[in-house]
Amino acid sequence: DSGVTQTPKHLITATGQRVTLRCSPRSGDLSVYWYQQSLDQGLQFLIQYYNGEERAKGNILERFSAQQFPDLHSELNLSSLELGDSALYFCASSEGAYQETQYFGPGTRLLVL
Amino acid sequence: DAKTTQPTSMDCAEGRAANLPCNHSTISGNEYVYWYRQIHSQGPQYIIHGLKNNETNEMASLIITEDRKSSTLILPHATLRDTAVYYCIVKGGSEKLVFGKGTKLTVNP
Repeated sequence: DSGVTQTPKHLITATGQRVTLRCSPRSGDLSVYWYQQSLDQGLQFLIQYYNGEERAKGNILERFSAQQFPDLHSELNLSSLELGDSALYFCASSEGAYQETQYFGPGTRLLVL
Repeated sequence: DAKTTQPTSMDCAEGRAANLPCNHSTISGNEYVYWYRQIHSQGPQYIIHGLKNNETNEMASLIITEDRKSSTLILPHATLRDTAVYYCIVKGGSEKLVFGKGTKLTVNP
């Protein structure tokens, strides 16, 4: 158990819909990272927040957005969902912002029908 | 961040040491070598990391060559639960982890 929690574990929705994935980092960690794992793309970095501020951006679509709240939990919002958004979404956290070990949560499996 | 090359798959007998190689010939001086594994579709699990010296923890040992162009992850007594995809990642100048395809390790009874 890494100490990172993610909800929900599974999510089934329809194309065009909007969903919110939630992540709670390990106690004391200030950074939260979001990654997407699909069958054809592998594990890809989406975005990082550090202490409430966006710090780094990866291949995140404009339909996707994230935020980190004062209590340091983070939410990833996916809108106008397409079939290709079906994937595993992982959250990771680390103590600091830069050269830090990242610890991953169990993931949310999203299925878009 | 430097790229890494790993074998696609490896097999190991239960109870024996599993030695997983990784090439990172373009690694820079300030880049660390990280190892993660992913069991089935669970979240990636951190194993170990190092800069230039060999490292050991309760899970594994990491051997980094003197020129830092390659490394080996050693699981000293592999069990069936060590069957997973193992990722070698070089990380330095960016916040993100860049995952390749990794090595699928199968531990056989």
